[in-house]
Amino acid sequence: EILMTQSPATLSVSPGERATLSCRASQSVSSNLAWYQQKPGQAPRLLIYGASTRATGIPARFSGSGSGTEFILTISSLQSEDFAVYYCQQYNHWPPVFGQGTKVEIK
Amino acid sequence: EVQLVESGGGLVQPGGSLRLSCAASGFTFSSYWMSWVRQAPGKGLEWLANIKDEGREKYYVDSVKGRFTTSRDNAKNSLYLQMNSLRAEDTAVYYCARQNWGGASDIWGQGTMVTVSS
Repeated sequence: EILMTQSPATLSVSPGERATLSCRASQSVSSNLAWYQQKPGQAPRLLIYGASTRATGIPARFSGSGSGTEFILTISSLQSEDFAVYYCQQYNHWPPVFGQGTKVEIK
Repeated sequence: EVQLVESGGGLVQPGGSLRLSCAASGFTFSSYWMSWVRQAPGKGLEWLANIKDEGREKYYVDSVKGRFTTSRDNAKNSLYLQMNSLRAEDTAVYYCARQNWGGASDIWGQGTMVTVSS
């Protein structure tokens, strides 16, 4: 089973600042990597798939990059509604595991 | 509106069974792979199973293989998860999700809570 490791576990950022979240796979997952946002008490929401394609309705301040084993989610200018937990997920190999999550909190 | 609505969660004793349902609307259900994902209290996301659009191909994670069975009724736009031999560690919010053409989960239900306890 592929291991997905996200860093940091918690990221403290001020509104308007840039946030950079990392996700590393234990073996190559090609570009079959998604990012999800989850707020307390809510279901996850797909942000990015195919490593860099924004899902429908996702603001341009969210961008994804990477391929193989190293991936980055960038939020260019954090808005108040962006404070949440972010998960990466590979779907190149079965089972499609998630990372453990990065919590983005207000600094 | 594209929507998934889960139901069927609740409190069950260890060793018991429960059947979750997921009602789909607003899209052509029969054209999509569907999946189940769970989240234990305060923990991360765990993919459990998925099922191909026609319903014949199914895949399960090892932790639920042999105990959980997913199925679907495309005529009723519904997805199901039959859970048997439930354990305390199965306590979680269970989500159904639609997989997009690439394999990512683009639509999620609101989740249904399953508590396994005596």
